[in-house]
Amino acid sequence: DIQMIQSPSTLSASVGDRVTITCRASQSVSTWLAWYQQKPGKAPKLLIYKASNLESGVPSRFSGSGSGTEFTLTISSLQPDDFATYYCQQYHTYLTFGQGTKVEIK
Amino acid sequence: QVQLQESGPGLAKPSETLSLTCTVSGGSVSNINYYWSWIRQPPGKGLEWIGYIYYSGNTNYNPSLKSRVTISVDTSKNQFSLNMSSVTAADTAVYYCARARGSSWYHFDYWGQGTLVTVSS
Repeated sequence: DIQMIQSPSTLSASVGDRVTITCRASQSVSTWLAWYQQKPGKAPKLLIYKASNLESGVPSRFSGSGSGTEFTLTISSLQPDDFATYYCQQYHTYLTFGQGTKVEIK
Repeated sequence: QVQLQESGPGLAKPSETLSLTCTVSGGSVSNINYYWSWIRQPPGKGLEWIGYIYYSGNTNYNPSLKSRVTISVDTSKNQFSLNMSSVTAADTAVYYCARARGSSWYHFDYWGQGTLVTVSS
């Protein structure tokens, strides 16, 4: 099994802040990595696929980078709508998700 | 716009079989570009992939659940279904259906709203 570990588990930030979330894989997943945003009571929403490709309709303040075992999701200027939980997902071998990072209001 | 909708009982008894159906609208489960998947999320916890199916019937399952899970597709109804046998309280979760895209393995671009299934006697 490929394990995905996100850090931090919780992040407190203010509107306008630059926010970075890290996802580490237990073995290389190349660039087969996606990021999702989930709000309470809602289904996850795809933000980024293949590590750095922005899904259609997703604001450009979201960006992804990395390859191999270390990846980052960056929100360049946090907006009120961005307070949510974020998950990474590898799809190199089977499919596994990180445990999530909750972005909360500071 | 593709939409997915889960349906099925919200309560299952321990040791019995959980059965859910996902109805797809605005798109076809027979589209050769996509797979169709089930994912679950226990209350307050993270996401777990259960398995997926192609329109042809080809499936792939999470190894940790494979012995208890069957996913099937009905192209005439534009639906796919999940059966999970021998359920326990640990299977209590919100179950999502989703469209999967990719090449060898997949990520998920459209999701249903999710349905809570509670396992309890």
